[in-house]
Amino acid sequence: QKEVEQNSGPLSVPEGAIASLNCTYSDRGSQSFFWYRQYSGKSPELIMFIYSNGDKEDGRFTAQLNKASQYVSLLIRDSQPSDSATYLCAVIHNNNDMRFGAGTRLTVKP
Amino acid sequence: SAVISQKPSRDICQRGTSLTIQCQVDSQVTMMFWYRQQPGQSLTLIATANQGSEATYESGFVIDKFPISRPNLTFSTLTVSNMSPEDSSIYLCSVEGGGTYEQYFGPGTRLTVT
Repeated sequence: QKEVEQNSGPLSVPEGAIASLNCTYSDRGSQSFFWYRQYSGKSPELIMFIYSNGDKEDGRFTAQLNKASQYVSLLIRDSQPSDSATYLCAVIHNNNDMRFGAGTRLTVKP
Repeated sequence: SAVISQKPSRDICQRGTSLTIQCQVDSQVTMMFWYRQQPGQSLTLIATANQGSEATYESGFVIDKFPISRPNLTFSTLTVSNMSPEDSSIYLCSVEGGGTYEQYFGPGTRLTVT
C-alpha cells in the first residue's frame, strides 16, 4: 500500500465549476497535511496546509481533513484555466519526513 | 517564505561524470531536503541535510552516489556521482518553514545524462 494515494487523473472541469481533489494516507499517526500545486516545468508551490479535522478555507480553496477515514481533500471553487496544473498531496511521515502522492492532473476548460 | 535558488538550472552531462548542485537560501534554516522528481513522477526524498551533522538518507539512496554537504544554515550541495542515464531527473531542494513542517521548494535542476 502506498503511503499517500491520489487519483492521477486527468480531472477535467469546466471553467467556473468546483474541482474536487482527493487523497488518502496510510499512516494513522500522521498529523500534518499539505496541498501543493505544480505547473508543468515548475517546482511545487504550497497552496494550503491543514492539521485539524474539518474544513479550512483560503480564498477559492478549501482543504478538508478526516483523520478517522485517513482522507484529505482539496476543493477549488470557481475554477479558472490558470488552475490547470498537477496537485500534489503531501503528508508528514515519521521524523518529519514529507511523503508525496503521485499527483492529480487538473485541466480547467474555458 | 524563504527565497531559494539553485544552480545550475539545467545541465546535460555524460555518463560516468559527476555534477554538484547548489542550493542557496536567503535566510537561516535548520532543515534542508533534497528530492528527485523523475519525468511524469512525484517527488521522492533523497536525504535530509542538517547543518553540523551527517545527512540522513532514505532507503535506496546512498552517500557514495549522492554525497551532500551542509556547511552553514543557508547553503547545501548535492552531488550526483558516476552518473548514468537513469539519473536523468529534476533535483529539488527544499527548506522547512518555521515550526509548522511545511516545505518550500527551490526552482529545481533539470539533469539529463547522455
